[in-house]
Amino acid sequence: AQSVTQPDIHITVSEGASLELRCNYSYGATPYLFWYVQSPGQGLQLLLKYFSGDTLVQGIKGFEAEFKRSQSSFNLRKPSVHWSDAAEYFCAVGVNNQGGKLIFGQGTELSVKP
Amino acid sequence: DVKVTQSSRYLVKRTGEKVFLECVQDMDHENMFWYRQDPGLGLRLIYFSYDVKMKEKGDIPEGYSVSREKKERFSLILESASTNQTSMYLCASSPYGLFTEAFFGQGTRLTVV
Repeated sequence: AQSVTQPDIHITVSEGASLELRCNYSYGATPYLFWYVQSPGQGLQLLLKYFSGDTLVQGIKGFEAEFKRSQSSFNLRKPSVHWSDAAEYFCAVGVNNQGGKLIFGQGTELSVKP
Repeated sequence: DVKVTQSSRYLVKRTGEKVFLECVQDMDHENMFWYRQDPGLGLRLIYFSYDVKMKEKGDIPEGYSVSREKKERFSLILESASTNQTSMYLCASSPYGLFTEAFFGQGTRLTVV
């Protein structure tokens, strides 16, 4: 069955420090992978997506993610975190079933220390 | 500006009531989704629809039903609300067959007392 695992429920980083959020997926075919962000009281916003090609993808707000097929991972990174990045982050895999649906991970809540 | 609109931000209902959560999108998307969001569990798919009158169960359909009579509108129905259905409910839409961006509504926080 398809699934997404985000091993870290909560991460705290200092402002200006680098960030890596982990995501592992389970899917038999070529995965379509996404990262979404949910700021407090807001809906989800797409940060970036991977379908094929270059395994390092760039997104909005200075985020990037690297697809590693051998590790079934799609980790999200940012070189320098800003206080406004505090939010919940969700990794998702697209499943080619009846027009496509998204399976989400459990989410990682990011706190940023001044 | 693309939009997915959920009819209520906050809702309080009594146990046993029939509850309707409404979602409307203005992007002519074929796919529409209902997710439930709970702390530590992420977003879990309740139902999705890939066309008018077409629906498919997600991971946690028990206690819920859906209706899609028009392309732009997707309703989630709690036949007899229970306290364990207290949660945040998120609606989303996306184009059919292409793994492009899914657009989300702001969510409805439902409390069943």
